[in-house]
Amino acid sequence: SQTIHQWPATLVQPVGSPLSLECTVEGTSNPNLYWYRQAAGRGLQLLFYSVGIGQISSEVPQNLSASRPQDRQFILSSKKLLLSDSGFYLCAWSVLPLSGASSYNEQFFGPGTRLTVL
Amino acid sequence: AQTVTQSQPEMSVQEAETVTLSCTYDTSESDYYLFWYKQPPSRQMILVIRQEAYKQQNATENRFSVNFQKAAKSFSLKISDSQLGDAAMYFCAYRTIGTNAGKSTFGDGTTLTVKP
Repeated sequence: SQTIHQWPATLVQPVGSPLSLECTVEGTSNPNLYWYRQAAGRGLQLLFYSVGIGQISSEVPQNLSASRPQDRQFILSSKKLLLSDSGFYLCAWSVLPLSGASSYNEQFFGPGTRLTVL
Repeated sequence: AQTVTQSQPEMSVQEAETVTLSCTYDTSESDYYLFWYKQPPSRQMILVIRQEAYKQQNATENRFSVNFQKAAKSFSLKISDSQLGDAAMYFCAYRTIGTNAGKSTFGDGTTLTVKP
């Protein structure tokens, strides 16, 4: 069965420090991978998605970047954190169905990382 | 760009009663998916129910059902026989289909309280 891991679960970082959050998926090949951020009391905002190794698409301009060095590894980074980067970060994966665009492709979410920037 | 609106920040329901959570969306696409997710205090996102836009029949999963009105771009969630474990934040989500990686747009959520 497929599983998705995120670490760390909780992180407290000072403003201006670097960031690296990691997400790995097991039990599937060539997944689409996503990074979402959830501000307190709000919905999920898509930050980045990737359809393959080295292929990253950014949805919103921001202080963060993403990389996909391996098929099932997705990393969220920052060189210098801002206060506004605080939030709950969720990684997710899905697989495009082989039979065409009308088939269902569920998105599976990881357990998330709570980031507090002080 | 698609938008998803949940107009009820908070809802409450008595245990064993029925509650309906509202969701509207805006899109120019003709085919897409709609979802309701549950996020309990653990913050794990749990899929509750899904609906394909090309299907006219409303989806049902045990005590959860939807009222999908495509022309009105409305997608409400009905929870019957509410249980204490249903208390959570509920998110409505829209997802594109096809070759653009299935990106999802989420509403801001509705916090559901279940009273014993």
